[in-house]
Amino acid sequence: DVKVTQSSRYLVKRTGEKVFLECVQDMDHENMFWYRQDPGLGLRLIYFSYDVKMKEKGDIPEGYSVSREKKERFSLILESASTNQTSMYLCASSPGQRGGVYEQYFGPGTRLTVT
Amino acid sequence: AQSVTQLDSQVPVFEEAPVELRCNYSSSVSVYLFWYVQYPNQGLQLLLKYLSGSTLVKGINGFEAEFNKSQTSFHLRKPSVHISDTAEYFCAVSDRWDDKIIFGKGTRLHILP
Repeated sequence: DVKVTQSSRYLVKRTGEKVFLECVQDMDHENMFWYRQDPGLGLRLIYFSYDVKMKEKGDIPEGYSVSREKKERFSLILESASTNQTSMYLCASSPGQRGGVYEQYFGPGTRLTVT
Repeated sequence: AQSVTQLDSQVPVFEEAPVELRCNYSSSVSVYLFWYVQYPNQGLQLLLKYLSGSTLVKGINGFEAEFNKSQTSFHLRKPSVHISDTAEYFCAVSDRWDDKIIFGKGTRLHILP
C-alpha cells in the first residue's frame, strides 16, 4: 500500500512564525503536491514538484515556499505565518501518467491554526 | 483550463435510499475523471476513476459513476446508502499527460436515520 505521512495532524503557531510542514511518501513517486482545503472552496493547489529540486507554482503560491531535497520528502514552508493561512493542509503523491497511474495518494492532513 | 462543478454543496438522504452526487467538467478532448471520498478528520481516498473504455465505472463501497461525454458529466451514484457513507465527496479531472488534478469544491453527504 502507498503510504503518505505528514509530520503533524494538528499544529498551532503564532502570527509571524516560520512554519514547516513535512510530507513523506514511501513509494518512490515522482510527483508530490501540497494543497490547502477550506470549507466551500475545495482543494486548491499550492505547489507541485515533479522531481527532486524541481517545483512548479500552483494556483495559490503566495506566502508559501517548498523544498524537495530528497525524492521521498516534500516540505511546505510558511515564511511568516498569518491568520489567513489557518487551514487544513493536504499532501499527495503520484507516480505520474508516464508511470501508468493517474490518481494521487493523500496523507491524513495537517490542521494548522495561526493565532 | 479545466474546471469542475459540483452542483450540490450538501445532500441529505435517508439511510437505505439511493443517492446521486452530480459533477460536470469543462470540455476537453481527452480527460481522466475521478471521485474521491474524505471521511471526517482523514485525507482523501480514491473511490473510482474513468480513464477510457466502458462509460460505467464501478468503485469501492458500492459506488458507481457514469461518464457522459455529450453532457460533460460524471455523476456518482449508490443504490442504497449506509450511515458509514457520511463523508465529503470530491469530483476531479485531469487532462491527458497532465499530472495535476483539478478538484471540485466537494459535496457533503448527510445520511439521515
